Amino acid sequence: AQKITQTQPGMFVQEKEAVTLDCTYDTSDPSYGLFWYKQPSSGEMIFLIYQGSYDQQNATEGRYSLNFQKARKSANLVISASQLGDSAMYFCAMRETSYGNNRLAFGKGNQVVVIP
Amino acid sequence: DTGVSQNPRHKITKRGQNVTFRCDPISEHNRLYWYRQTLGQGPEFLTYFQNEAQLEKSRLLSDRFSAERPKGSFSTLEIQRTEQGDSAMYLCASSLSRTGGDYGYTFGSGTRLTVV
Repeated sequence: AQKITQTQPGMFVQEKEAVTLDCTYDTSDPSYGLFWYKQPSSGEMIFLIYQGSYDQQNATEGRYSLNFQKARKSANLVISASQLGDSAMYFCAMRETSYGNNRLAFGKGNQVVVIP
Repeated sequence: DTGVSQNPRHKITKRGQNVTFRCDPISEHNRLYWYRQTLGQGPEFLTYFQNEAQLEKSRLLSDRFSAERPKGSFSTLEIQRTEQGDSAMYLCASSLSRTGGDYGYTFGSGTRLTVV
């Protein structure tokens, strides 16, 4: 069963606008972590932001914020003030931690193209 | 600290040949992971090491695949008798385990394998 679902088609975003990338997840583990990574055309996976399942507040890192809605099992990424360098694939990932698991399960990604 | 380094960046090989990839993690990181990413998909977990011990292997890791991490430093991933279906990006990541889990995964730029 797919643990991470990212279904948005490729997105074009105007520079300086905000963009929201959707991510829903499926788990019965009460303890888990959610991650967002950026993958530019060079291939490297760049860590953006992390949200723990017990965190009370939504995570923020600079222009990145995570809209965590636990009851809906949703962890959307918001990028504010888009820049041309934000053009990339964005992946949502989850790690279920109750049983010492250390693997990340990734979604299929969202393509973002920022236009001037 | 130069991050996670992977070599080679690109490898083209003929079907049936053996290939070996290398990953040099961040020096103080005790955990090392291998993922495979095919076109249009997110990375899929293959295996991980804590120090020199291989603690988990995905069922994606067929008998033709073997990974080692001698002395708990760099790691190699070997694919024997390559098949066209092995064509993918092979990503390495490392992390430092800590109480409650490790969320500081750092990925390398990957090795892109093309089997012709």
